[in-house]
Amino acid sequence: DPKIIQKPKYLVAVTGSEKILICEQYLGHNAMYWYRQSAKKPLEFMFSYSYQKLMDNQTASSRFQPQSSKKNHLDLQITALKPDDSATYFCASSHYRGQYFGPGTRLTVL
Amino acid sequence: QQQVRQSPQSLTVWEGETAILNCSYEDSTFNYFPWYQQFPGEGPALLISIRSVSDKKEDGRFTIFFNKREKKLSLHITDSQPGDSATYFCAASALNTGNYKYVFGAGTRLKVIA
Repeated sequence: DPKIIQKPKYLVAVTGSEKILICEQYLGHNAMYWYRQSAKKPLEFMFSYSYQKLMDNQTASSRFQPQSSKKNHLDLQITALKPDDSATYFCASSHYRGQYFGPGTRLTVL
Repeated sequence: QQQVRQSPQSLTVWEGETAILNCSYEDSTFNYFPWYQQFPGEGPALLISIRSVSDKKEDGRFTIFFNKREKKLSLHITDSQPGDSATYFCAASALNTGNYKYVFGAGTRLKVIA
């Protein structure tokens, strides 16, 4: 059974629209993360959360807003989408033994 | 600012050979170094990791060698198999410092030829 669920797997959006990427983890971890991967930047750290609190934000744009409604949920809201936002977005969670990644959501902005 | 560097960018070895993937870092507060294996269309998977108190970590055909003084580490894959063909990422973190950030290298794309 998948331990980290990301929805949807593929997402196509038009420029200027808003989308929410879903992430749920069932590993019992307290820390969760978002990463972005594209041809330009192989694996780029975006956010980290611990106990539903924002710990680190390396995303310059306020268009990216993480949302944690539950301890094991960390969704990513992206507003005013641009073609440059096209990438695969990975959710991850961690404990002392390491960080584990979900399968990703591939976002294409037209 | 690229804090974690990997080399080579791509590597091709024959089946049965040892593949050596290199990684270096700049931040001396980093104390935990995981390696990830990623196949096309999948998320990175934790392969093996080492803490800075150790200089070697072995798990089957995968071994990490760590040199704290030089801030370098390497991943050795012995008896390489075609199924090992993937992209390998070195990462670094400062665990137990309140810093939850992981910094990733750009990756090494490994191809194992049968």
